[in-house]
Amino acid sequence: EPEVTQTPSHQVTQMGQEVILRCVPISNHLYFYWYRQILGQKVEFLVSFYNNEISEKSEIFDDQFSVERPDGSNFTLKIRSTKLEDSAMYFCASKLMNTEAFFGQGTRLTVV
Amino acid sequence: GENVEQHPSTLSVQEGDSAVIKCTYSDSASNYFPWYKQELGKRPQLIIDIRSNVGEKKDQRIAVTLNKTAKHFSLHITETQPEDSAVYFCAASSRAGGTSYGKLTFGQGTILTVHP
Repeated sequence: EPEVTQTPSHQVTQMGQEVILRCVPISNHLYFYWYRQILGQKVEFLVSFYNNEISEKSEIFDDQFSVERPDGSNFTLKIRSTKLEDSAMYFCASKLMNTEAFFGQGTRLTVV
Repeated sequence: GENVEQHPSTLSVQEGDSAVIKCTYSDSASNYFPWYKQELGKRPQLIIDIRSNVGEKKDQRIAVTLNKTAKHFSLHITETQPEDSAVYFCAASSRAGGTSYGKLTFGQGTILTVHP
């Protein structure tokens, strides 16, 4: 069964450093998303990506965040200068127009 | 934007009992309502979903009901088992396509504990 894969599973970084979280969505999917989940809280939408551009973003997704789909298979989330409050589990998801969203296993980001 | 409220935040039941989790949503344009089960440290896993053109859907011990007029939907688990213990999230979305891109707005989650 195809699945969304994310790397790394756990990333520890110093405050102020840049991090790149990587995702490989399901190959024929068209819509791509990043969500985050702070420990013990709900899953929050960050950004959606369709047709090679950002289609929607939340208030959380400020200028420190960016997304890219550089080669037609990978989908990356970059945080330019990490803050302590960026510590969370980050989930990538992908879908077709009328299907459920499939989630990756997540990357746990710890900013110290 | 969409706002999804979920209750209760914790639910404790005995094995074999039923469990009901309720959600309300605010955006009448939402037309897709999935339920996810999340075990500790794992990804959310879809367990059942419903679209706005139906009022109820059932899959074995799990059922979901939708009341579009009142903007609420509920998850029903019958004959609960200890392995049903997890965090359950409801979500609301508009179908991807047109001006909507299918983002999910999640409820706050319900910690379900099923005691043997």
